[in-house]
Amino acid sequence: DSGVTQTPKHLITATGQRVTLRCSPRSGDLSVYWYQQSLDQGLQFLIQYYNGEERAKGNILERFSAQQFPDLHSELNLSSLELGDSALYFCASSAYRGRLTNTEAFFGQGTRLTVV
Amino acid sequence: SQQGEEDPQALSIQEGENATMNCSYKTSINNLQWYRQNSGRGLVHLILIRSNEREKHSGRLRVTLDTSKKSSSLLITASRAADTASYFCATDATGGGSNYKLTFGKGTLLTVNP
Repeated sequence: DSGVTQTPKHLITATGQRVTLRCSPRSGDLSVYWYQQSLDQGLQFLIQYYNGEERAKGNILERFSAQQFPDLHSELNLSSLELGDSALYFCASSAYRGRLTNTEAFFGQGTRLTVV
Repeated sequence: SQQGEEDPQALSIQEGENATMNCSYKTSINNLQWYRQNSGRGLVHLILIRSNEREKHSGRLRVTLDTSKKSSSLLITASRAADTASYFCATDATGGGSNYKLTFGKGTLLTVNP
């Protein structure tokens, strides 16, 4: 158990819909990351939050947005869903606080999103 | 594009043999990490090697890092069927301050046959 909790585990929804994925980081971790994993694109970094603020952005579509709340949990919102958005979405957290910190990331079990 | 690229894409060996996976990356890094993923599950951190380190051991794992060649290798000795998984290298792309982006390669799928 990594200590990172993601809900729901599975989600099936129709094209055009909007869904929210939730992540609770490990206790004390300030940094939260979202990744998308699909067969053709591999593991793609989407976005990072640190203590409530967006810090790094990757290949995140404009239809996607995320936020980190004061209690440090994070949500990833996916809207106007397309078939190609079907993937595993992972949340990870780390104790990273600064550039000189070398630290590992702890991953949740992921949310498998299927868009039909 | 991926920062790290693993090689080979797939590796099949017999139990008891050693498995070696390689990773190449493009830009300067602070550290390089290896992760393992069982099918459809979350990634699990295996080992982290800093840019000023050349070799690191953890149990049956041995990692080397050659910053001049921008490459790393992961050696799993005396493999077991339970080692069957995908293995990813990840590099940091620090933007300074509290930015920290771990970029993963596409992974090596290791199959250990009993």
